Amino acid sequence: AQSVTQLDSQVPVFEEAPVELRCNYSSSVSVYLFWYVQYPNQGLQLLLKYLSGSTLVKGINGFEAEFNKSQTSFHLRKPSVHISDTAEYFCAVSDPSSGGSNYKLTFGKGTLLTVNP
Amino acid sequence: GAVVSQHPSRVICKSGTSVKIECRSLDFQATTMFWYRQFPKQSLMLMATSNEGSKATYEQGVEKDKFLINHASLTLSTLTVTSAHPEDSSFYICSALDPGQILYGYTFGSGTRLTVV
Repeated sequence: AQSVTQLDSQVPVFEEAPVELRCNYSSSVSVYLFWYVQYPNQGLQLLLKYLSGSTLVKGINGFEAEFNKSQTSFHLRKPSVHISDTAEYFCAVSDPSSGGSNYKLTFGKGTLLTVNP
Repeated sequence: GAVVSQHPSRVICKSGTSVKIECRSLDFQATTMFWYRQFPKQSLMLMATSNEGSKATYEQGVEKDKFLINHASLTLSTLTVTSAHPEDSSFYICSALDPGQILYGYTFGSGTRLTVV
């Protein structure tokens, strides 16, 4: 079974600073990778995803992530954060060979990003 | 884009009563929906996979008689927490995949905060 490790449970940064949220997954032949953001008492919103192709993936709100197969990582980055980026961020992985088009997602434990003024 | 509506957003019930949570796909048909449970400051744990017209598939350790899932139509899945107890208090989230937009990943509902008193 797939597993996801988000190495940092909390990441405090100052506004306009760069940030990297780390995500590692257990190896598999092929994977789909996702980053979601969750604001308090809300559902999850997709930031970006990697299905295939270019290893550098750009998402919404200025975020990007790089798929590194050799290191089984999918770290999320933003060059300059805003206070409004304060939220919980979840990395998720799925094995596309499981369940056909209805593949299950396995989530990491989340990283709380706090952007301070 | 795909939209999933979850209702209610917040519910408080007395111990021993049952609570029904609805998950609707508004602009697409979802043959499969997923139900997750999220404890405070923790990740999402998959509870069950809801399949239209057939029985739900529950994850190991989830009581199927406790958490009744009904997926009676292609746009509606319901989760009923039966004989709720304080330990059932949690944040419940559903998700669905628009088969016409597989590349966009899963869409999540906004969640339901259940408090059992």
